[in-house]
Amino acid sequence: QQQVKQSPQSLIVQKGGISIINCAYENTAFDYFPWYQQFPGKGPALLIAIRPDVSEKKEGRFTISFNKSAKQFSLHIMDSQPGDSATYFCAASILTGGGNKLTFGTGTQLKVEL
Amino acid sequence: DAGVTQSPTHLIKTRGQHVTLRCSPISGHKSVSWYQQVLGQGPQFIFQYYEKEERGRGNFPDRFSARQFPNYSSELNVNALLLGDSALYLCASSRLAGVNEQYFGPGTRLTVT
Repeated sequence: QQQVKQSPQSLIVQKGGISIINCAYENTAFDYFPWYQQFPGKGPALLIAIRPDVSEKKEGRFTISFNKSAKQFSLHIMDSQPGDSATYFCAASILTGGGNKLTFGTGTQLKVEL
Repeated sequence: DAGVTQSPTHLIKTRGQHVTLRCSPISGHKSVSWYQQVLGQGPQFIFQYYEKEERGRGNFPDRFSARQFPNYSSELNVNALLLGDSALYLCASSRLAGVNEQYFGPGTRLTVT
């Protein structure tokens, strides 16, 4: 059962444009929603994260918007640059049993063109 | 400061063999998690360990096992390898088991032929 659905699968944006990636979750017990950036041949790198008591979080050019009632959250990349070309994963987690496992979306391959 | 380190970088094994993957967490981090990432998909949770105890297990067969050592490093073992075990195996460390932020290593690329 896929608990975190991510769209689109791929995205092409012009340099300077806004990249938007969306995720939806099913389990209302999730209490932490991170975004990871992964370059080919590398491990995922934590980009930005949000908790459900906040509707928006901004760090530099990256913003997470969170809609608790709709069970959706999105990543906005402002002023997209060619160096942002990578695969982006949303994830969600619950702190259970003293542990914490991340449930990932299927990923969005972003290409920023000049 | 050094990030999460994993060894080996790449590995080629034959079906039926056994493999051991190793991970060293970020200095000061006490929890290690293992994930499997099949090409074109998001990582899938396998195990989490904290203070040498298993704190979570994903939906993987008993062929997969792991342990954590007193220095917080960890090993992932996979027995009786199948072609479907070919994947990038990622290790993530976090300061404590109950802390959300997890930081990933570069992974070990396992190819089973």
